[in-house]
Amino acid sequence: DAGITQSPRHKVTETGTPVTLRCHQTENHRYMYWYRQDPGHGLRLIHYSYGVKDTDKGEVSDGYSVSRSKTEDFLLTLESATSSQTSVYFCAIRVGGEGYEQYFGPGTRLTVT
Amino acid sequence: EDQVTQSPEALRLQEGESSSLNCSYTVSGLRGLFWYRQDPGKGPEFLFTLYSAGEEKEKERLKATLTKKESFLHITAPKPEDSATYLCAVRSLNNDMRFGAGTRLTVKP
Repeated sequence: DAGITQSPRHKVTETGTPVTLRCHQTENHRYMYWYRQDPGHGLRLIHYSYGVKDTDKGEVSDGYSVSRSKTEDFLLTLESATSSQTSVYFCAIRVGGEGYEQYFGPGTRLTVT
Repeated sequence: EDQVTQSPEALRLQEGESSSLNCSYTVSGLRGLFWYRQDPGKGPEFLFTLYSAGEEKEKERLKATLTKKESFLHITAPKPEDSATYLCAVRSLNNDMRFGAGTRLTVKP
């Protein structure tokens, strides 16, 4: 258990509304990530953070923003949700050591109607 | 561009029937190849990291191997509880992680 929680776990929202997903970790890891997972695409990186207020874009960042005001929390915001953003969203942390393995949270299933 | 391709997309086995999953990759300098297990409705669970060709790692009925172009996840005498989706990922020199789409394994009793 990597001590990662995500909230909410499920959400249904309407097109055009803003949505914020939260990732919380208990172990003070520096690196945190947001991915989306869609059938046939595998996990794709949206944004990541390498410290408080330090973030960068991933492969599929359009339409998303992130914030990290505390080490333990990493927020993902869909500024104006679209149906193409219906997906399962996973947060991950990177642990130290040689491998830089990433450990994942339980996911948030988001449906945009 | 880094690419990871997993095959087959789905695999059905009888309990005890050994098999292998494949992960082919192209990457600009491999810094690590990762295997994860994902159960329905849950996040991926880390299994192994491999760093260089020839390396092998084992955990219970699973053994992961690595060559310069691909990795195999060998499943020996699988049980129904091994049913899951298995994901492969590579980390390149710039530390980007690229995931494959996964292999969905079903083991029938």
